[in-house]
Amino acid sequence: GESVGLHLPTLSVQEGDNSIINCAYSNSASDYFIWYKQESGKGPQFIIDIRSNMDKRQGQRVTVLLNKTVKHLSLQIAATQPGDSAVYFCAEHNQGGKLIFGQGTELSVKP
Amino acid sequence: DAGVTQSPTHLIKTRGQQVTLRCSPKSGHDTVSWYQQALGQGPQFIFQYYEEEERQRGNFPDRFSGHQFPNYSSELNVNALLLGDSALYLCASRLSPFLGVGGYEQYFGPGTRLTVT
Repeated sequence: GESVGLHLPTLSVQEGDNSIINCAYSNSASDYFIWYKQESGKGPQFIIDIRSNMDKRQGQRVTVLLNKTVKHLSLQIAATQPGDSAVYFCAEHNQGGKLIFGQGTELSVKP
Repeated sequence: DAGVTQSPTHLIKTRGQQVTLRCSPKSGHDTVSWYQQALGQGPQFIFQYYEEEERQRGNFPDRFSGHQFPNYSSELNVNALLLGDSALYLCASRLSPFLGVGGYEQYFGPGTRLTVT
C-alpha cells in the first residue's frame, strides 16, 4: 500500500551546521510533497512543499530536493538553530487532499 | 487572522464512552480533515469533509464519525472508546481540492490530546 517513510528516527547536529533529513516514498504517482515541523505539544507546521514536476525548491534557510527516480525526498536546513529542534515529517499528497505521513525524524540541535 | 482552532485541548475518557472533538478551520477555508497521531508516529488520515459531506475516508472503523456545519466547522465523534484510541487528534483545513483552486497547503490546529483509561 501507500507509505511514506523516513530513513532516520533521530538526528543530532551542532548549532550553525547544516541539517539534512531524508524521506522515502512508495507511490510513484504522487504529485505533491510537503515537509512539516512539529514541536512538542503543537500541531504540524508547514515548512515547504514541492510538486513532482520540480526537483528542487528553496525557502528561507530550507531547501527541499526531490528525486523521483529513486522516490526520495530530502529537507536541508542551513545554519541550524536551537529553534529548529523538533520532529520533521514528510507527507505525500493525493488528488483528493489526503496527506500520507511518514514516522518522523527528531532533530536535536546542540548549542 | 485566526488559524485552525480545536477544543478541548485535553480530554480523559473511560473505555466504552463516547467523545466529541471540535474544530474551527482557518478563515476562508472550506475543507476540513481529521488525523489521528499516536505517540511517536506520524498523523494518520481519518476523513475529510467538504460541503458538509464526507469526501474521503482512511482506514478507520465506523466508530469514528464526523460532521461539518454550514460555517465549515467540524466535529469528530468516536464511539465505544478503546484504549488504543488514545492519541493526539489533529484537524487540518484548506481550500477545497475539488474546485481546482488554491494551493495544496493544509494548516493544522494544535490538536486534542485524548486519553482513554
